[in-house]
Amino acid sequence: DIQMTQSPSSLSASVGDRVTITCRASQTISSYLNWYQQKPGKAPKLLIYAASSLQSGVPSRFSGSGSGTDFTVTISSLQPEDFATYYCQQSYRTPRTFGQGTKLEIK
Amino acid sequence: EVQLVESGGGLVKPGGSLRLSCAASGFTFSSYSMNWVRQAPGKGLEWVSSISGSSSYIYYADSVKGRFTISRDNAKNSLYLQMNSLRAEDTAVYYCAREESSSWYCSEYWGQGTLVTVSS
Repeated sequence: DIQMTQSPSSLSASVGDRVTITCRASQTISSYLNWYQQKPGKAPKLLIYAASSLQSGVPSRFSGSGSGTDFTVTISSLQPEDFATYYCQQSYRTPRTFGQGTKLEIK
Repeated sequence: EVQLVESGGGLVKPGGSLRLSCAASGFTFSSYSMNWVRQAPGKGLEWVSSISGSSSYIYYADSVKGRFTISRDNAKNSLYLQMNSLRAEDTAVYYCAREESSSWYCSEYWGQGTLVTVSS
């Protein structure tokens, strides 16, 4: 199975900050990497697919990059509604493994 | 409008069984692979199982293999997860999600989730 490792596990930041979350795959996954945002009590929301493609309706302050084994998602200027937990997921092979999540909290 | 609505969750004793359903609408159900993903209380997301549109390809996480069975009825636009020999560690919110083969197999559409609690 492909293991997905996110860092950091948690992150405190302020409104307006630029933040980056990293995801590393245990083997190459080309660009089959997706990012989701989840708020408490809600289903995950797709932010980015294919490593760098912004899902329709997602604000342009979100961006993704990477290929192979190393990936990042960046929020260029944090907004209050961005405080949530973020997950990466590889869709290169089954099982479609997720990272352990990164909880983004208000400083 | 694409909608996925899960049902069938509840409280069950260890060793018991439960069948989850996911009712789909707003798209051609048979054209899409579907996934079950779960989330234990306070924990991260865990992929559970996948089924292709024609049911030709079925996959399971090792943690549920041999105990859970995924199926679908394309005539009824419904996805199912039969869960047997339930354990405390199966306690979670279970989500169904549509897989987008045209978008690198991401999942844009998710249901609201149904809670399964395994406890004596």
